[in-house]
Amino acid sequence: EVQLVQSGAEVKKPGESLKISCKGSGYNFTSYWIGWVRQLPGKGLEWMGTIYPGDSDTRYSPSFQGQVTISADKSIRTAYLQWSSLKASDTAMYYCARHIAAAMSAFDIWDQGTMVTVSS
Amino acid sequence: EIVLTQSPVTLSLSPGERATLSCRASQSVSSSYLAWYQQKPGQAPRLLIYGASSRATGIPDRFSGSGSGTDFTLTISRLEPEDFAVYYCQQYGSSPFTFGPGTKVDIK
Repeated sequence: EVQLVQSGAEVKKPGESLKISCKGSGYNFTSYWIGWVRQLPGKGLEWMGTIYPGDSDTRYSPSFQGQVTISADKSIRTAYLQWSSLKASDTAMYYCARHIAAAMSAFDIWDQGTMVTVSS
Repeated sequence: EIVLTQSPVTLSLSPGERATLSCRASQSVSSSYLAWYQQKPGQAPRLLIYGASSRATGIPDRFSGSGSGTDFTLTISRLEPEDFAVYYCQQYGSSPFTFGPGTKVDIK
């Protein structure tokens, strides 16, 4: 079965760092782009960026460039989203999702998301 | 950046009725790289349609997509109880990939 499994919910304080993960299984992890999508509480979906685990080629939305870092470790089939200094406004659900085929296309596989809460 | 506008914001219908959802882009979406997703409360989005009109794996044929350029439509031919949800369109023809604000289909 093709699936992505994200790390669990996080509660952090402003200024703290955080790295959440997304592990792929059931398919050739290095051949599909993986994207990250943010959903603020009660709001819509926002594409943050996408990585190709095969060579770590990464593309960011301008809205998130410099605010987060996307990376991948193909040896353990895992993609990451990290923050160096969290803000309260980073409180959201974060989804990782696989792009269809070997291209940055629609997202066909999603996990249930990682809820990140940033509060003092 | 391509801005997507969805209408209506809310669509109130009864089971068995036909739903027509619209997605309009601020500029042409290249190669009809337009997708539709369904999201239910507490769940991740689910891909319904990609390439404007191709159904994703396992999606019932009551869901269909059409359109090109700047105007796209998702049609649900006969609403089933499990279809009441929020629907988002997304363009992936040019970066940054953008989503529409969503249309909520609720029970009348």
